[in-house]
Amino acid sequence: DAKTTQPNSMESNEEEPVHLPCNHSTISGTDYIHWYRQLPSQGPEYVIHGLTSNVNNRMASLAIAEDRKSSTLILHRATLRDAAVYYCILRDVSSSNTGKLIFGQGTTLQVKP
Amino acid sequence: EAQVTQNPRYLITVTGKKLTVTCSQNMNHEYMSWYRQDPGLGLRQIYYSMNVEVTDKGDVPEGYKVSRKEKRNFPLILESPSPNQTSLYFCASSLHELAKNIQYFGAGTRLSVL
Repeated sequence: DAKTTQPNSMESNEEEPVHLPCNHSTISGTDYIHWYRQLPSQGPEYVIHGLTSNVNNRMASLAIAEDRKSSTLILHRATLRDAAVYYCILRDVSSSNTGKLIFGQGTTLQVKP
Repeated sequence: EAQVTQNPRYLITVTGKKLTVTCSQNMNHEYMSWYRQDPGLGLRQIYYSMNVEVTDKGDVPEGYKVSRKEKRNFPLILESPSPNQTSLYFCASSLHELAKNIQYFGAGTRLSVL
C-alpha cells in the first residue's frame, strides 16, 4: 500500500470546522483513500472513503485533490467528542490481500472548548 | 444495534495459563480479523478469516490460534501466554472480501501477562 503523510497533531476550537490534511504522492490509480479515527480507549472507527470525487456522509466530508496526491478530511463543526487520532489509509480494492489495515501515526486532534 | 463485541475488556493473567478472547459480530459479516496494538508499532494483524472454516495468518501469528466455526464468532486463543503478548487487542469485521477495507472494530481487550 502506498505511503501517506499526516501532521502529528492539530488543534481546533469547538464548533469550528477542522481540515485534516493527508499527502499521498505515490497513490496509484486503483487506490481508494480511507479515513478512520480512534477515540481514546476505543477501537478504530471507519469515517469515510473516496476514489476521485469529493464525498460527504453524516460524519464528515472528504475533499480529494484533482491529481489525487493529497486529500483533506473535513469535520464541519468539531465537538469535544471528535478528539481522536485520525488515520488516512490508501487501499487497493482490486488486489487480493489479507484485508489488513495499516495504520500509520495519524493526526491527533485536540478540540478545545 | 450493529456491533462487534469482545470479551473480556480487561484481563490480567500469568504466564502459561491458556486463555480465550471472544469476538462476536451481529452483522452477518463474512470477513473477520484480529489485530494487536502496541505503542510505536501501530496495529498489526494477527489472523484473519474470509469466511467460516477459512482462516489465515497475518503478520504476527506466533503464539496465537483462532477458529471460525460459525460466521458470527472468531475467538482468539493464547495456548501459553507470555509477557510479550501483553497488548491491546482488537477484533474487526467487514461484510465480505470485496468490502474488507471498511471494517468495524470492537472496543478492544487489554491483556496483561505477568
